[in-house]
Amino acid sequence: NAGVTQTPKFRVLKTGQSMTLLCAQDMNHEYMYWYRQDPGMGLRLIHYSVGEGTTAKGEVPDGYNVSRLKKQNFLLGLESAAPSQTSVYFCASSSLAATSNEQFFGPGTRLTVL
Amino acid sequence: GQSLEQPSEVTAVEGAIVQINCTYQTSGFYGLSWYQQHDGGAPTFLSYNGLDGLEETGRFSSFLSRSDSYGYLLLQELQMKDSASYFCAVRDGDTNAGKSTFGDGTTLTVKP
Repeated sequence: NAGVTQTPKFRVLKTGQSMTLLCAQDMNHEYMYWYRQDPGMGLRLIHYSVGEGTTAKGEVPDGYNVSRLKKQNFLLGLESAAPSQTSVYFCASSSLAATSNEQFFGPGTRLTVL
Repeated sequence: GQSLEQPSEVTAVEGAIVQINCTYQTSGFYGLSWYQQHDGGAPTFLSYNGLDGLEETGRFSSFLSRSDSYGYLLLQELQMKDSASYFCAVRDGDTNAGKSTFGDGTTLTVKP
């Protein structure tokens, strides 16, 4: 049982390049989330999904797109990377049945945009 | 929208007790959670309060007062490994949304 995994762990991009971050969970969770965390800051929600085939915008969605074609996977895309998108990206998942909305986080992807 | 406030830093000595406060202003409220994050690691869930009162889990306790829009995390018998960032998070009132808003975190430093 791997929990939540993220690929890649580290990435360096040049301004204008594109990339996709992959998140996978094996807990059969309905909800999945993408956050970004800047140094010394909290977690800011980029996009989230309440089920396969559905996505919704979070607090800071501009410059990002997501897709959830399969229940276990949640992809985050950067179409044209900017230095302001340098951050640590965390994926998380939670169960519909959990009244606490307890979220299980992946190990993070450290992205640098030059 | 949601707004959470918690102190940015707290320092305590090993063996002591420390309390980390969290106040919130929300358009809807379903519950308050706490997460721990060690430097370079991922956040991990610690506790949840859906109703007023105290929840205890080992050395950690969490309290909620919905009428005061206030909660706290209490850490007892501090150990060096408790040095980490602690985030409070409010679950949105719309339970169908299944999402939470996180505070900016409190960095706890435990000294020998």
